[in-house]
Amino acid sequence: DIQMTQSPSSLSASVGDRVTITCRASQSISTYLNWYQQKPGKAPNLLIYAASSLQSGVPSRFSGSGSGTDFTLTISSLQPEDFATYYCQQTYITPITFGQGTRLEIK
Amino acid sequence: QLQLQESGPGLVKPSETLSLTCTVSSGSISSTSYYWGWIRQPPGKGLEWIGSVYYSGSTYYNPSLKSRVTISVDTSKNQFSLKLNSVTAADTAVYYCARQDFQYASGTYLRGGWFDPWGQGILVTVSS
Repeated sequence: DIQMTQSPSSLSASVGDRVTITCRASQSISTYLNWYQQKPGKAPNLLIYAASSLQSGVPSRFSGSGSGTDFTLTISSLQPEDFATYYCQQTYITPITFGQGTRLEIK
Repeated sequence: QLQLQESGPGLVKPSETLSLTCTVSSGSISSTSYYWGWIRQPPGKGLEWIGSVYYSGSTYYNPSLKSRVTISVDTSKNQFSLKLNSVTAADTAVYYCARQDFQYASGTYLRGGWFDPWGQGILVTVSS
């Protein structure tokens, strides 16, 4: 199975900050990498697909980059509603696997 | 706007079978462009893909659960279902269904795509 490792596991930041979350795959996955946001008690919500494509309706302050084994999710200017847990996911090959999550908290 | 809704018992006894159904509305489960997936999340933990099904009945399962899982589809009802047998407390989780975009299905593996949208999730507790 392809292992997905996110860093950091948790992060404290302030409104207006620029934040970057990293996801590393245990082998090359090209750009078969997606990012989800999950708020407490809610289902995950797709933010970025195919490493860098912004899902319709997602604010442009979210962006993704990377290919191969190393990927990043960047939030350019944190808003109060962005405090949540973020997951990366590889769909290069089944079994589909997720990162362990990055919890973004208010400083 | 496509919507998915999970349904089924919220409490299952150990060693019994967990059975859930996902009903798709405002869209057809028979679309050739999508698989339909099940994902679970134990309380306070991360996400685990369980498996996915095509409208034709073709399935892909997580090897970690494959021996206990069956996912099926009923196109007449626009539903797909999950059965997980011989459950233990470790199977306690919120279970989500989701539409799965995909790029390529080889028969051996599935490649590409993402999950969107998701159902709201259903908490299933395994306890006597």
